[in-house]
Amino acid sequence: DAGVIQSPRHEVTEMGQEVTLRCKPISGHNSLFWYRQTMMRGLELLIYFNNNVPIDDSGMPEDRFSAKMPNASFSTLKIQPSEPRDSAVYFCASSQKTAFGYTFGSGTRLTVV
Amino acid sequence: DQQVKQNSPSLSVQEGRISILNCDYTNSMFDYFLWYKKYPAEGPTFLISISSIKDKNEDGRFTVFLNKSAKHLSLHIVPSQPGDSAVYFCAASSHNTDKLIFGTGTRLQVFP
Repeated sequence: DAGVIQSPRHEVTEMGQEVTLRCKPISGHNSLFWYRQTMMRGLELLIYFNNNVPIDDSGMPEDRFSAKMPNASFSTLKIQPSEPRDSAVYFCASSQKTAFGYTFGSGTRLTVV
Repeated sequence: DQQVKQNSPSLSVQEGRISILNCDYTNSMFDYFLWYKKYPAEGPTFLISISSIKDKNEDGRFTVFLNKSAKHLSLHIVPSQPGDSAVYFCAASSHNTDKLIFGTGTRLQVFP
């Protein structure tokens, strides 16, 4: 298994542009999570899906952020318009059951200039 | 409101000695706790976990202790090795949800 696959690994964009981050979870995992890592807040949960359905999006910072999971093997996190304060590392993770822990992707480092 | 707190942003330990990483939580509904380890440019990886029905779980050089009354857990690494140098995240969940709440992380450096 290739694990959780995120793309791109790095993204540099100008303020005001739309950014789309992509994630392919591990096959058979029914939960998918988007996290953002910053120095101040650590790993912050943005949204999670269970069986492709959004369950909790209370961590999404603003309406500029949106996430979709059109099928069991793909999810996107979109920021439109992007702002410099969105610069962070964004992680996607998937799991079968929390008790076994999540498997994280390698992350996307986003820089908004 | 930070429900899981790691108050030490960094820790430096000599090789062979014990490393103790601490974590506090505020939500009494949490009943499962995990530690993740993160190397630069990689995603966090699962290290060890503990259920609230236990107060200790051991896996090789890694032991996690849970003090429910104090809402505190700790990760002990004995003996510490240079390869243990990484950022360690504490995480917590409750049985009625799939989501993990993470702390801010502690950067451990093990020097020779």
